[in-house]
Amino acid sequence: DAGITQSPRHKVTETGTPVTLRCHQTENHRYMYWYRQDPGHGLRLIHYSYGVKDTDKGEVSDGYSVSRSKTEDFLLTLESATSSQTSVYFCAISALAGAAGTDTQYFGPGTRLTVL
Amino acid sequence: QKEVEQNSGPLSVPEGAIASLNCTYSDRVSQSFFWYRQYSGKSPELIMSIYSNGDKEDGRFTAQLNKASQYVSLLIRDSQPSDSATYLCAGKTSYDKVIFGPGTSLSVIP
Repeated sequence: DAGITQSPRHKVTETGTPVTLRCHQTENHRYMYWYRQDPGHGLRLIHYSYGVKDTDKGEVSDGYSVSRSKTEDFLLTLESATSSQTSVYFCAISALAGAAGTDTQYFGPGTRLTVL
Repeated sequence: QKEVEQNSGPLSVPEGAIASLNCTYSDRVSQSFFWYRQYSGKSPELIMSIYSNGDKEDGRFTAQLNKASQYVSLLIRDSQPSDSATYLCAGKTSYDKVIFGPGTSLSVIP
């Protein structure tokens, strides 16, 4: 399971409140990602990190910020949650896989966030 | 054109049949390709990766890549009810970003 955990697993919050989701990995992977998954849209990249304090935006980064102060933790913050941010959020890491050592993504269990 | 496209389904096949899942991609997606399986309420899990034209087999699964046609497929032989899930096609760009398709729902009927 690539040693990835996410917390919380479920959260219900109200519009306008700040929310922080945590992704924790135990295998010292350099690259970490945050995706959201919505019906009809598949997985969309929010932000990613390529090292401690090194982050960049994905395709749907508006309204989200991230931080990575330690290799093992990648935090996703919704500064002021909106109903459009109701979604399932997945954290992922990149690791080499297979005989050819292809860089492949592995996912955490997900966080289901509901913004009322 | 979306960068990675899949038929949303649902695709229904009888148990024991071959399920064929298809995916097309744009010029931006040119590197490695991946198939993930996702059960309802669970996270995606990697089934196959393919980088070269042709076929790659792993047990009951065969991935096929045709770069000239910008087409990648997944065949599941001897389909089982436990194969019922959503299958996500993904491709990597030259900037090492992974782009996912919307997924195809597969239902294997006993």
